[in-house]
Amino acid sequence: EAQVTQNPRYLITVTGKKLTVTCSQNMNHEYMSWYRQDPGLGLRQIYYSMNVEVTDKGDVPEGYKVSRKEKRNFPLILESPSPNQTSLYFCASSSRGPTDTQYFGPGTRLTVL
Amino acid sequence: GQQLNQSPQSMFIQEGEDVSMNCTSSSIFNTWLWYKQDPGEGPVLLIALYKAGELTSNGRLTAQFGITRKDSFLNISASIPSDVGIYFCAGLGETSGSRLTFGEGTQLTVNP
Repeated sequence: EAQVTQNPRYLITVTGKKLTVTCSQNMNHEYMSWYRQDPGLGLRQIYYSMNVEVTDKGDVPEGYKVSRKEKRNFPLILESPSPNQTSLYFCASSSRGPTDTQYFGPGTRLTVL
Repeated sequence: GQQLNQSPQSMFIQEGEDVSMNCTSSSIFNTWLWYKQDPGEGPVLLIALYKAGELTSNGRLTAQFGITRKDSFLNISASIPSDVGIYFCAGLGETSGSRLTFGEGTQLTVNP
């Protein structure tokens, strides 16, 4: 089954404790992206990747890192999480770019205390 | 960065009514996308628009790429209960490369 998977689905952590949210797709997609969703703000793009070893900042990259060492994986890293990073995070992938149909993962709800 | 203003923020309608929502920007966009998000799910692409003036339909949904390239509209005809959800516009700005910007969303409630 074609899908985007994220882990964990739910995470409660404390300020400053490094964490990684994994994202994997099995559709051989070139484009992958991370978004955060906050009430009243819609989705905001954090980082995106057009292909392996190619990553670019979205609208809200501060406090986040990503890597794209393999085509299928695009982990989101929070080196020193802070409470303002409490949010719902979505990973997405598409065949070639953002205007192709993006397939979204199920979301990761992160709480930083 | 780019900003998209989406309105209305929420709508409460009766089943069978038509719905209109729009998205505007102060800058030019090259591509407009409309997504729907069901509760507890990620967004799903409904319609993509690539040219100014383009009018595209997907079943009961119709979207238009404004001729000024600074706005887009989504219409839903004869709404049904399963239309409930959050509708987002999204776009690629003229100068934003592959960076996608989303509107704040329109929460649609359909009363049977």
